[in-house]
Amino acid sequence: GQNIDQPTEMTATEGAIVQINCTYQTSGFNGLFWYQQHAGEAPTFLSYNVLDGLEEKGRFSSFLSRSKGYSYLLLKELQMKDSASYLCAIGTGANNLFFGTGTRLTVIP
Amino acid sequence: DADVTQTPRNRITKTGKRIMLECSQTKGHDRMYWYRQDPGLGLRLIYYSFDVKDINKGEISDGYSVSRQAQAKFSLSLESAIPNQTALYFCATTEPSTDTQYFGPGTRLTVL
Repeated sequence: GQNIDQPTEMTATEGAIVQINCTYQTSGFNGLFWYQQHAGEAPTFLSYNVLDGLEEKGRFSSFLSRSKGYSYLLLKELQMKDSASYLCAIGTGANNLFFGTGTRLTVIP
Repeated sequence: DADVTQTPRNRITKTGKRIMLECSQTKGHDRMYWYRQDPGLGLRLIYYSFDVKDINKGEISDGYSVSRQAQAKFSLSLESAIPNQTALYFCATTEPSTDTQYFGPGTRLTVL
């Protein structure tokens, strides 16, 4: 089976940096995904890590440690439009994804 | 044009009615998925299909059925809708070289 833990809610200030953590347990692993979802909208793909280390993509970076079952999403220079839910998901090895319940990030002025 | 489309976008129906939600994609992906999303529960997999002859149950398939009419089309049916099927439903496809999934805009279903 699979299990994902991530904080339910976070608040951060515009212009700041925020780190959203994700820990997971799984019997099959084919990568760690982060998705962004604005309220009432579809999840959109942000990042994919299959090897340990940091992947940087503009203001967003994602880190993976497979041995620790741990990932984080780092958002820099926060903007108001970054207020959204951030979903951590694991590839289970059968071309399926198992999603966490998401972290709702609120960016305040 | 959107790569993954869903119809209808919103639907209100009554208990006991049969409902079909439709999904179409232009990405050329073989693999398609139906999820439901409820507050606090995240995305849960209902059914998935790896090609037109392959249908698989997901985590919460009871009360639902699907049809894969073509590579590009995957429909979800609620045979007899009940109020606890009120949710936001998403269709998705998978990029074949990774597990990256691409989602449709969602259908908000309310069962009264």
